[in-house]
Amino acid sequence: SQTIHQWPATLVQPVGSPLSLECTVEGTSNPNLYWYRQAAGRGLQLLFYSVGIGQISSEVPQNLSASRPQDRQFILSSKKLLLSDSGFYLCAWSVSSGYTFGSGTRLTVV
Amino acid sequence: DQQVKQNSPSLSVQEGRISILNCDYTNSMFDYFLWYKKYPAEGPTFLISISSIKDKNEDGRFTVFLNKSAKHLSLHIVPSQPGDSAVYFCAASGTGSARQLTFGSGTQLTVLP
Repeated sequence: SQTIHQWPATLVQPVGSPLSLECTVEGTSNPNLYWYRQAAGRGLQLLFYSVGIGQISSEVPQNLSASRPQDRQFILSSKKLLLSDSGFYLCAWSVSSGYTFGSGTRLTVV
Repeated sequence: DQQVKQNSPSLSVQEGRISILNCDYTNSMFDYFLWYKKYPAEGPTFLISISSIKDKNEDGRFTVFLNKSAKHLSLHIVPSQPGDSAVYFCAASGTGSARQLTFGSGTQLTVLP
């Protein structure tokens, strides 16, 4: 079966600290992978997407970066977190028109 | 520029009645539309979708209507149940290899018992 794993579920980080969120998928090959963020009171904003290993497209200029070192692994990173990076981060994958979302990571930058 | 808009941030409906959630889009290249339901601290779950070649799709209590000329779609939930209380996101995708979704800002539905 096709599943998506995202961790950690919650994270509290001080301003200026680094960030690494990981997402892995199982049961599929060569999926399109996505990172979304839901900020408080706002909708889901696409941050990055990847159509293959090493291929990253950024939708919004910001303090974050993404990498895809393996076909089924997608990583969201930051060298120095800002307060405005707080939010709910979601990983997703698709192989056709269907999307599956991970369970999300609640990031609070203090 | 918001390409997908949900102009109602919240909606309250009595249990058993119909819930109607609306969504407007501006990009005429969108050809596939989806509705997601989201509970706090969880990822969105897929509800129902519609292709631009159709104007209606029904799945149990959920029906999505698409009016391409008006660039408008709506989600009808009948009858509404308290467990339907959640944030509902409208999403759209167009052609292209990545087929990334563009989401609306969401509507908080509260079904009152």
